[in-house]
Amino acid sequence: NAGVTQTPKFQVLKTGQSMTLQCAQDMNHEYMSWYRQDPGMGLRLIHYSVGAGITDQGEVPNGYNVSRSTTEDFPLRLLSAAPSQTSVYFCASSYSPKGSYNEQFFGPGTRLTVL
Amino acid sequence: GQQVMQIPQYQHVQEGEDFTTYCNSSTTLSNIQWYKQRPGGHPVFLIQLVKSGEVKKQKRLTFQFGEAKKNSSLHITATQTTDVGTYFCAGPVHSGYALNFGKGTSLLVTP
Repeated sequence: NAGVTQTPKFQVLKTGQSMTLQCAQDMNHEYMSWYRQDPGMGLRLIHYSVGAGITDQGEVPNGYNVSRSTTEDFPLRLLSAAPSQTSVYFCASSYSPKGSYNEQFFGPGTRLTVL
Repeated sequence: GQQVMQIPQYQHVQEGEDFTTYCNSSTTLSNIQWYKQRPGGHPVFLIQLVKSGEVKKQKRLTFQFGEAKKNSSLHITATQTTDVGTYFCAGPVHSGYALNFGKGTSLLVTP
């Protein structure tokens, strides 16, 4: 199993450009999330999904869109990049919490710089 | 909403010294998870605590969950250079589908 994969690993954008950060998992996990990590801020939840076709907002969703057409993929779209979106982005997936056990598996991250 | 606070923000120890990080939640938690992130890496799950007053050990690491399920701690005995990294606690949010992370404690161990 590859686990959680993210592409690209690094990206530089200019203000106003759009792009999609890719995330895929091969563990058949229902739940997937996007977090951003900024120095001294920990990880903050952007969007999450509880299954194909179902997404919801986290704590910092502004400027980001998501969709979940398949169980495996959960892309994150920046519609018009801003310097405030310079960050490291992590995708994570987890098992169903029905058994009250939902360890999150993280991808390697995408380091995004917006100029 | 739920806030998770961690202290200290940074800790610098000599190899062989002990280390403790503390986590406090503004709300009662159904469970708490701990993650470790090495420099330049991604968070990796360490453990989940569920029961009030629970104590779990992983070799030199001891995890505790408070009686009121609002606080937790991670204690490392006799630190090693391999313990370097940032340790995060996290509580479940959005019906447990995602996590609310503390800001983490960065541990530096010098030989």
